[in-house]
Amino acid sequence: GAVVSQHPSRVICKSGTSVKIECRSLDFQATTMFWYRQFPKQSLMLMATSNEGSKATYEQGVEKDKFLINHASLTLSTLTVTSAHPEDSSFYICSAREDAGGQGYQPQHFGDGTRLSIL
Amino acid sequence: GQNIDQPTEMTATEGAIVQINCTYQTSGFNGLFWYQQHAGEAPTFLSYNVLDGLEEKGRFSSFLSRSKGYSYLLLKELQMKDSASYLCAVRVDTGGGNKLTFGTGTQLKVEL
Repeated sequence: GAVVSQHPSRVICKSGTSVKIECRSLDFQATTMFWYRQFPKQSLMLMATSNEGSKATYEQGVEKDKFLINHASLTLSTLTVTSAHPEDSSFYICSAREDAGGQGYQPQHFGDGTRLSIL
Repeated sequence: GQNIDQPTEMTATEGAIVQINCTYQTSGFNGLFWYQQHAGEAPTFLSYNVLDGLEEKGRFSSFLSRSKGYSYLLLKELQMKDSASYLCAVRVDTGGGNKLTFGTGTQLKVEL
Protein backbone atom coordinates (compact mmCIF):
# COMPACT_ATOMS: atom_id res chain seq x y z
CA GLY A 1 0.00 0.00 0.00
CA ALA A 2 0.89 3.65 -0.27
CA VAL A 3 3.41 4.78 2.33
CA VAL A 4 4.14 8.28 3.56
CA SER A 5 7.26 8.82 5.60
CA GLN A 6 7.47 11.75 7.99
CA HIS A 7 10.65 12.74 9.77
CA PRO A 8 11.55 13.42 12.51
CA SER A 9 8.99 11.69 14.71
CA ARG A 10 9.81 13.79 17.72
CA VAL A 11 11.61 17.07 18.30
CA ILE A 12 12.41 18.80 21.56
CA CYS A 13 14.15 22.14 21.23
CA LYS A 14 14.60 25.54 22.76
CA SER A 15 12.42 28.53 22.07
CA GLY A 16 13.60 30.51 19.07
CA THR A 17 14.85 27.49 17.14
CA SER A 18 13.61 26.75 13.63
CA VAL A 19 12.50 23.20 13.00
CA LYS A 20 12.16 21.46 9.64
CA ILE A 21 9.82 18.50 9.15
CA GLU A 22 9.98 16.33 6.03
CA CYS A 23 7.16 14.45 4.38
CA ARG A 24 7.90 11.91 1.65
CA SER A 25 5.65 9.72 -0.44
CA LEU A 26 7.68 6.55 -0.83
CA ASP A 27 5.92 4.60 -3.57
CA PHE A 28 3.67 7.07 -5.35
CA GLN A 29 3.73 10.56 -6.74
CA ALA A 30 1.92 13.31 -4.94
CA THR A 31 1.36 16.65 -6.61
CA THR A 32 -0.55 17.70 -3.52
CA MET A 33 0.42 17.26 0.10
CA PHE A 34 -1.30 18.59 3.20
CA TRP A 35 -0.02 19.74 6.57
CA TYR A 36 -2.20 19.34 9.65
CA ARG A 37 -1.85 20.25 13.27
CA GLN A 38 -3.50 18.31 16.08
CA PHE A 39 -3.80 19.28 19.73
CA PRO A 40 -4.46 16.59 22.36
CA LYS A 41 -7.91 15.05 22.08
CA GLN A 42 -8.80 17.35 19.21
CA SER A 43 -9.22 16.76 15.54
CA LEU A 44 -6.80 17.45 12.74
CA MET A 45 -6.79 21.07 11.65
CA LEU A 46 -5.62 21.73 8.12
CA MET A 47 -2.83 24.29 8.08
CA ALA A 48 -1.94 24.43 4.42
CA THR A 49 -2.07 22.66 1.09
CA SER A 50 1.30 22.11 -0.48
CA ASN A 51 1.44 22.08 -4.27
CA GLU A 52 4.46 20.79 -6.15
CA GLY A 53 6.21 23.57 -8.00
CA SER A 54 4.02 26.39 -6.71
CA LYS A 55 3.23 28.29 -3.55
CA ALA A 56 1.37 26.65 -0.73
CA THR A 57 -2.21 27.62 0.05
CA TYR A 58 -2.61 28.50 3.72
CA GLU A 59 -5.80 28.22 5.74
CA GLN A 60 -7.22 31.26 7.41
CA GLY A 61 -5.34 32.18 10.54
CA VAL A 62 -2.15 30.31 9.66
CA GLU A 63 0.89 32.55 9.34
CA LYS A 64 2.72 31.72 6.14
CA ASP A 65 5.90 33.43 7.35
CA LYS A 66 5.82 31.33 10.49
CA PHE A 67 5.16 28.01 8.78
CA LEU A 68 7.23 27.81 5.63
CA ILE A 69 6.28 25.12 3.16
CA ASN A 70 8.36 23.88 0.28
CA HIS A 71 7.22 21.21 -2.18
CA ALA A 72 10.18 20.88 -4.47
CA SER A 73 9.44 17.46 -5.95
CA LEU A 74 6.59 15.06 -6.50
CA THR A 75 7.62 13.05 -3.47
CA LEU A 76 8.80 15.59 -0.92
CA SER A 77 7.26 18.45 1.01
CA THR A 78 8.84 20.21 3.98
CA LEU A 79 7.35 22.31 6.75
CA THR A 80 9.66 24.66 8.63
CA VAL A 81 8.42 26.14 11.87
CA THR A 82 10.45 29.31 12.15
CA SER A 83 11.51 30.77 15.49
CA ALA A 84 9.38 28.26 17.35
CA HIS A 85 7.81 29.15 20.68
CA PRO A 86 6.10 27.01 23.33
CA GLU A 87 2.67 27.72 21.83
CA ASP A 88 3.84 26.00 18.63
CA SER A 89 4.19 22.73 20.51
CA SER A 90 1.83 20.29 18.88
CA PHE A 91 1.49 17.14 16.81
CA TYR A 92 2.09 17.92 13.14
CA ILE A 93 0.91 15.43 10.54
CA CYS A 94 1.40 15.47 6.80
CA SER A 95 -0.57 13.64 4.19
CA ALA A 96 -0.04 13.00 0.52
CA ARG A 97 -2.76 12.53 -2.04
CA GLU A 98 -2.15 9.99 -4.77
CA ASP A 99 -2.18 11.66 -8.14
CA ALA A 100 -3.72 8.67 -9.87
CA GLY A 101 -5.63 6.58 -7.39
CA GLY A 102 -6.95 3.49 -9.05
CA GLN A 103 -9.94 3.67 -6.79
CA GLY A 104 -10.97 6.93 -8.40
CA TYR A 105 -11.15 8.92 -5.20
CA GLN A 106 -7.52 9.86 -4.63
CA PRO A 107 -7.17 8.87 -0.99
CA GLN A 108 -4.93 10.80 1.33
CA HIS A 109 -2.24 8.80 3.06
CA PHE A 110 -0.84 10.09 6.31
CA GLY A 111 2.63 10.19 7.74
CA ASP A 112 3.24 9.05 11.31
CA GLY A 113 3.36 12.61 12.59
CA THR A 114 5.93 14.75 14.36
CA ARG A 115 5.53 15.61 17.99
CA LEU A 116 7.11 19.04 18.48
CA SER A 117 7.90 20.25 21.98
CA ILE A 118 9.32 23.73 22.43
CA LEU A 119 10.85 24.44 25.81
CA GLY B 1 -18.00 26.97 6.55
CA GLN B 2 -18.00 23.32 7.34
CA ASN B 3 -19.57 21.72 10.39
CA ILE B 4 -19.05 18.07 11.26
CA ASP B 5 -20.48 16.43 14.39
CA GLN B 6 -19.61 13.10 15.97
CA PRO B 7 -20.14 11.74 19.48
CA THR B 8 -17.10 12.34 21.64
CA GLU B 9 -16.89 8.91 23.24
CA MET B 10 -18.45 5.47 22.94
CA THR B 11 -17.95 2.22 24.80
CA ALA B 12 -18.73 -1.24 23.47
CA THR B 13 -18.09 -4.86 24.34
CA GLU B 14 -15.68 -7.19 22.58
CA GLY B 15 -17.51 -9.22 19.94
CA ALA B 16 -20.37 -6.76 19.69
CA ILE B 17 -21.38 -4.33 16.94
CA VAL B 18 -21.05 -0.56 17.27
CA GLN B 19 -22.31 2.26 15.05
CA ILE B 20 -20.56 5.63 15.04
CA ASN B 21 -22.62 8.45 13.57
CA CYS B 22 -21.47 11.57 11.77
CA THR B 23 -23.55 14.49 10.62
CA TYR B 24 -22.27 17.27 8.46
CA GLN B 25 -23.24 20.60 6.97
CA THR B 26 -21.06 21.66 4.13
CA SER B 27 -20.95 23.18 0.70
CA GLY B 28 -19.14 21.60 -2.20
CA PHE B 29 -19.51 18.08 -0.80
CA ASN B 30 -17.32 15.67 -2.70
CA GLY B 31 -17.15 12.54 -0.58
CA LEU B 32 -16.85 11.35 2.99
CA PHE B 33 -14.01 9.38 4.54
CA TRP B 34 -13.62 7.45 7.76
CA TYR B 35 -10.20 7.15 9.37
CA GLN B 36 -8.97 5.27 12.43
CA GLN B 37 -6.39 6.89 14.67
CA HIS B 38 -4.63 5.27 17.60
CA ALA B 39 -3.19 7.59 20.22
CA GLY B 40 0.00 9.26 19.07
CA GLU B 41 -0.21 7.76 15.61
CA ALA B 42 -1.30 8.96 12.19
CA PRO B 43 -4.80 8.28 10.89
CA THR B 44 -5.28 5.24 8.69
CA PHE B 45 -7.88 5.09 5.94
CA LEU B 46 -10.94 2.92 6.56
CA SER B 47 -13.60 3.77 4.03
CA TYR B 48 -14.94 6.19 1.46
CA ASN B 49 -18.47 7.09 0.36
CA VAL B 50 -19.49 9.53 -2.32
CA LEU B 51 -22.86 8.07 -3.35
CA ASP B 52 -25.75 7.19 -1.08
CA GLY B 53 -25.71 3.71 0.34
CA LEU B 54 -23.61 1.20 2.17
CA GLU B 55 -20.00 0.29 1.48
CA GLU B 56 -18.79 -2.91 3.13
CA LYS B 57 -15.20 -3.79 3.77
CA GLY B 58 -14.69 -6.80 6.00
CA ARG B 59 -15.67 -5.98 9.58
CA PHE B 60 -16.18 -2.33 8.68
CA SER B 61 -19.08 -0.80 6.79
CA SER B 62 -19.89 2.82 6.08
CA PHE B 63 -23.18 4.38 5.07
CA LEU B 64 -23.94 7.74 3.50
CA SER B 65 -27.11 9.76 2.99
CA ARG B 66 -26.27 12.98 1.19
CA SER B 67 -29.77 14.41 1.48
CA LYS B 68 -29.62 14.06 5.26
CA GLY B 69 -25.96 15.03 5.63
CA TYR B 70 -25.44 11.82 7.56
CA SER B 71 -23.00 8.95 7.64
CA TYR B 72 -22.21 6.12 9.98
CA LEU B 73 -19.38 3.69 10.44
CA LEU B 74 -20.37 0.20 11.54
CA LEU B 75 -17.84 -2.03 13.23
CA LYS B 76 -18.72 -5.71 13.66
CA GLU B 77 -17.15 -8.43 15.80
CA LEU B 78 -15.35 -5.84 17.86
CA GLN B 79 -11.82 -6.59 18.98
CA MET B 80 -9.77 -4.95 21.71
CA LYS B 81 -7.46 -3.49 19.07
CA ASP B 82 -10.41 -1.53 17.66
CA SER B 83 -10.11 0.82 20.63
CA ALA B 84 -9.13 4.03 18.90
CA SER B 85 -10.42 7.38 17.71
CA TYR B 86 -12.58 7.29 14.59
CA LEU B 87 -12.52 10.39 12.45
CA CYS B 88 -15.21 11.40 10.00
CA ALA B 89 -13.81 13.62 7.26
CA VAL B 90 -15.71 15.43 4.54
CA ARG B 91 -14.03 16.25 1.28
CA VAL B 92 -15.07 19.54 -0.23
CA ASP B 93 -14.39 20.97 -3.62
CA THR B 94 -13.09 24.46 -3.00
CA GLY B 95 -12.98 25.34 -6.67
CA GLY B 96 -9.23 25.24 -6.49
CA GLY B 97 -9.00 21.63 -5.48
CA ASN B 98 -10.29 19.18 -2.90
CA LYS B 99 -9.50 19.26 0.79
CA LEU B 100 -10.59 17.28 3.83
CA THR B 101 -12.28 18.73 6.87
CA PHE B 102 -12.19 16.47 9.91
CA GLY B 103 -14.67 16.01 12.70
CA THR B 104 -13.40 15.98 16.25
CA GLY B 105 -13.35 12.20 16.29
CA THR B 106 -15.14 9.57 18.35
CA GLN B 107 -13.04 7.82 20.98
CA LEU B 108 -14.15 4.19 21.03
CA LYS B 109 -13.30 2.00 23.99
CA VAL B 110 -13.76 -1.75 23.58
CA GLU B 111 -14.15 -3.64 26.84
CA LEU B 112 -14.15 -7.33 27.72
